[in-house]
Amino acid sequence: QVTLKESGPVLVKPTETLTLTCTVSGFSLSNARMGVSWIRQPPGKALEWLAHIFSNDEKSYSTSLKSRLTISKDTSKSQVVLTMTNMDPVDTATYYCARIMVGDYGEGGYFDYWGQGTLVTVSS
Amino acid sequence: AIQLTQSPSSLSASVGDRVTITCRASQGISSALAWYQQKPGKAPKLLIYDASSLESGVPSRFSGSGSGTDFTLTISSLQPEDFATYYCQQFNSYLSLTFGGGTKVEIK
Repeated sequence: QVTLKESGPVLVKPTETLTLTCTVSGFSLSNARMGVSWIRQPPGKALEWLAHIFSNDEKSYSTSLKSRLTISKDTSKSQVVLTMTNMDPVDTATYYCARIMVGDYGEGGYFDYWGQGTLVTVSS
Repeated sequence: AIQLTQSPSSLSASVGDRVTITCRASQGISSALAWYQQKPGKAPKLLIYDASSLESGVPSRFSGSGSGTDFTLTISSLQPEDFATYYCQQFNSYLSLTFGGGTKVEIK
């Protein structure tokens, strides 16, 4: 079955760089019409899309965070990595990775499988 | 970037009630919209994609409709397990995906 699992630090200091890894199983990162996204959710707040990467290595980033984000994938390891630089306490959130499926409409996709999420706290 | 406005932000309803949640896009997005259900401490779960297609395994009491800028999620007969927060998400643009602000469905 399809699973995604996030891993990374639970605590980072302000100004540090966060590196999160999403390890997937049950599908290949080379599958067409599929990709992996990172999405975050501050405590008690709404979901926020951060970035995605598709099988052809096309990437896209949130406009507001683009300068701080880098997404990459290692197909052989079934992993997608997100780095976010210059972390701030406002970046405290649960970070999810999710599989993105290209819909029959639009150019992007929807999220059909999600990881359990990992809470990252930014504090000195 | 396309913005999504959900209404209401919260609602109280009873088991058996018909519940309707709306999502309005700041510009036309065809049918490139999905709906998710999220329970506390859990990851969101896909309910509806392409505005009206029911995800496999999701009960038929959930339905979606709309196109362009106005969309609706309807729960025909609210069940105890449906009390949760619901989000819409647009995927019209490859470059930017956005979520609505959420609608919390609470027990009356």
